[in-house]
Amino acid sequence: EAGVTQSPTHLIKTRGQQATLRCSPISGHTSVYWYQQALGLGLQFLLWYDEGEERNRGNFPPRFSGRQFPNYSSELNVNALELEDSALYLCASSRYRGDSVKNIQYFGAGTRLSVL
Amino acid sequence: KQEVTQIPAALSVPEGENLVLNCSFTDSAIYNLQWFRQDPGKGLTSLLLIQSSQREQTSGRLNASLDKSSGRSTLYIAASQPGDSATYLCAAYNTDKLIFGTGTRLQVFP
Repeated sequence: EAGVTQSPTHLIKTRGQQATLRCSPISGHTSVYWYQQALGLGLQFLLWYDEGEERNRGNFPPRFSGRQFPNYSSELNVNALELEDSALYLCASSRYRGDSVKNIQYFGAGTRLSVL
Repeated sequence: KQEVTQIPAALSVPEGENLVLNCSFTDSAIYNLQWFRQDPGKGLTSLLLIQSSQREQTSGRLNASLDKSSGRSTLYIAASQPGDSATYLCAAYNTDKLIFGTGTRLQVFP
């Protein structure tokens, strides 16, 4: 069984551009989570999608957005890139189905975004 | 608001020592608690998951315990090896997301 896959592995952009990061969940998982790990900061929750809808978002500006497709894959879009957006972005998936106790998240290898 | 803290922030030990890494959380209403390892510039490797109804989990030289009432979890590493050098993160499961701790950076020297 394939794990959570993220693409691209590395992404280099300049300030003001837009970045698109992609995530494919484990087969059978309906929830996708996005986390950001900026240099010097801990891992912070960004977004949660379940069954195609945004369920929750962390304390990030609206230029961080995303969506989940009918096949449960997801993309994260970051508009008007700023230097401080440089970070490792991790995606996780789970088979949530409303049961928090069984909501175990499995992580991908991440996309490293560098904003120059 | 859930906050997760890890002590110590950094640890440097000689090979062979037994280690205890600490994790504390402010809200005891967590579902599960998970320990991860992160190598420099890499993603997360899951080490141990303690579900809500459990008190500890073991895998090889690793043992993790969970005391929800006191808001604490510990990761015990037996007979440490240079290959254990990495950052160790604990994460508490809230209803809809993981809240990560600040991490313990471990260096084991030969």
